[in-house]
Amino acid sequence: QVQLMQSGTDVKRPGASVRVSCKTSGYTFTDFYIHWVRQAPGQGLEWMGWIYPRNGKTQYAQKFQDWVTMTRDTSTRTVYMEVSSLKSDDSAIYFCARESSGWKSDAFDTWGQGTMVIVSS
Amino acid sequence: EIVLTQSPGTLSLSPGDGATLSCRASQSISNNYLAWYQQKPGQPPRLLIYDVSTRATGIPDRFSGSGSGTDFTLTISRLEPEDFAVYYCQKYGGSLYTFGQGTKLDIK
Repeated sequence: QVQLMQSGTDVKRPGASVRVSCKTSGYTFTDFYIHWVRQAPGQGLEWMGWIYPRNGKTQYAQKFQDWVTMTRDTSTRTVYMEVSSLKSDDSAIYFCARESSGWKSDAFDTWGQGTMVIVSS
Repeated sequence: EIVLTQSPGTLSLSPGDGATLSCRASQSISNNYLAWYQQKPGQPPRLLIYDVSTRATGIPDRFSGSGSGTDFTLTISRLEPEDFAVYYCQKYGGSLYTFGQGTKLDIK
């Protein structure tokens, strides 16, 4: 079955960078967009952007354009999301999610379990 | 950028009641690219409805979606105890994706 398995909790100092991984299985990796969504404590869902694993193309929400980078490794079927210049309000759970159709825009049918990132001095 | 506004913020109901959750878009949503998710504490969101009214795999038929243009509704008939959670609407497609701020459905 389709699975997305994320890396574990990470604690970082302000100003540092963090890289979160999302290892996929159970489907053709290059055929489906992977999105990243974050959720601050007690808050709602915030879409960050997507990556298309076939060619590595990315699209970021304007808010994240200058300090988030999404990449992929096709050999390990893994997608990465790096956030630089961390601030305390970047403390959140970061989710990866698969867009359910590879041929048209669609909703997110499979989610990773989430990775908690804590930014604290 | 399309903004989604959900109402009410919190809805307090009892098991067996019916629930109506609203999602209003700041601009018309094309191609019916509107989804609903359910999220319980400590879990990732779960897809309930996509393309406005199509239930995702395994979703019971007490969940239904409707609407068009800028106004959309998630209806839950006969609430079960496991339905009390936070619900989000989402606009997808067109390179930019957006979530509403959520409606919390809690037990009265």
